[in-house]
Amino acid sequence: RKEVEQDPGPFNVPEGATVAFNCTYSNSASQSFFWYRQDCRKEPKLLMSVYSSGNEDGRFTAQLNRASQYISLLIRDSKLSDSATYLCVVNRNNNDMRFGAGTRLTVKP
Amino acid sequence: NAGVTQTPKFQVLKTGQSMTLQCAQDMNHNSMYWYRQDPGMGLRLIYYSASEGTTDKGEVPNGYNVSRLNKREFSLRLESAAPSQTSVYFCASTKPSDNQPQHFGDGTRLSIL
Repeated sequence: RKEVEQDPGPFNVPEGATVAFNCTYSNSASQSFFWYRQDCRKEPKLLMSVYSSGNEDGRFTAQLNRASQYISLLIRDSKLSDSATYLCVVNRNNNDMRFGAGTRLTVKP
Repeated sequence: NAGVTQTPKFQVLKTGQSMTLQCAQDMNHNSMYWYRQDPGMGLRLIYYSASEGTTDKGEVPNGYNVSRLNKREFSLRLESAAPSQTSVYFCASTKPSDNQPQHFGDGTRLSIL
């Protein structure tokens, strides 16, 4: 079993839709959590950090449930430019990062 | 300010050849990383260096060696390349504090025939 698991998708949604991605991690000692976005044939780029109380950045909302070892990302009012692969990332300790395989999102007109 | 720079961007090797991938960052970050990314597998950590002079194995270190030459540079060496090492390699760096994001280079596409 992978240490960080994500639904690979693909998720195909119309513009304006709300879409949610889930991620689970197995190492209960994990310290910090992130969502990254990766465009085709490009490097991953930070989308947002995930805080215990949940946090929002514009149309994006991230939540963390430490008891269930579960992280989520909600995208509201999807745009065509949101089409990408979304990577769940867990910092085990001392910046030893583990990545999920990614969830692919396509937003269609 | 270039961020994280990787060289080369593309390389084709024959089985058994050796090669060093170079990575340099100009953000004064302490920690640096090497990942490989294969289709459907996500990024897998090969080695990382929490600070100058230290290196640690990640998930998939076999067949690789690393050198943290100084604070700026972290190189990845394939001593005897194998077709299974065909992949996209990413270097990243970060500050050592918790909750700090990683900054990635553009990647090196490596094919081994």
